[in-house]
Amino acid sequence: DAKTTQPNSMESNEEEPVHLPCNHSTISGTDYIHWYRQLPSQGPEYVIHGLTSNVNNRMASLAIAEDRKSSTLILHRATLRDAAVYYCIPRLTGNQFYFGTGTSLTVIP
Amino acid sequence: NAGVTQTPKFQVLKTGQSMTLQCAQDMNHEYMSWYRQDPGMGLRLIHYSVGAGITDQGEVPNGYNVSRSTTEDFPLRLLSAAPSQTSVYFCASSYSLGGYTFGSGTRLTVV
Repeated sequence: DAKTTQPNSMESNEEEPVHLPCNHSTISGTDYIHWYRQLPSQGPEYVIHGLTSNVNNRMASLAIAEDRKSSTLILHRATLRDAAVYYCIPRLTGNQFYFGTGTSLTVIP
Repeated sequence: NAGVTQTPKFQVLKTGQSMTLQCAQDMNHEYMSWYRQDPGMGLRLIHYSVGAGITDQGEVPNGYNVSRSTTEDFPLRLLSAAPSQTSVYFCASSYSLGGYTFGSGTRLTVV
């Protein structure tokens, strides 16, 4: 099964960019990489996903390495509302997602 | 759109009781999943479905049953509740390649 590795925690100052890394060296060539976040006491929220090229949406950008062994979620200007646990997850057959422990992001005012 | 609706939001069960957690989505999503999240932990996949009439097991299926008779509904049944099943349960749905939309969760306590 594809495994991902993320730092347990990160800190960022408010209104500064945040780069959240993820290593996924064992994913297959057809596994999309999805990112979710979970705010305190809420269910997870979809952020973004991609396969090979960089992706942008209103919430974030996703930069995927050319060899697909890693990716980086970019929040362009962190706000206090971005404080959450961020999960990097490969999409498996049947649209299965196995969540790890993610990265807990603290945003400092 | 209501999105993904889970009921009840809170439930207390006695050990050995059975119950069904309800999950309904109004987005015509083919994929649906059930997760549990223990305090301070990540989510673990219990069961999932790729369409009506098709279900399969995830990481932690023991003690739970599911069925998918319609596209909209994906109930999770606890057969005989145990204290180890105290958790927050999340239901989610998606299109085939899209991101999942999660419900707001059911907080279950088994005493």
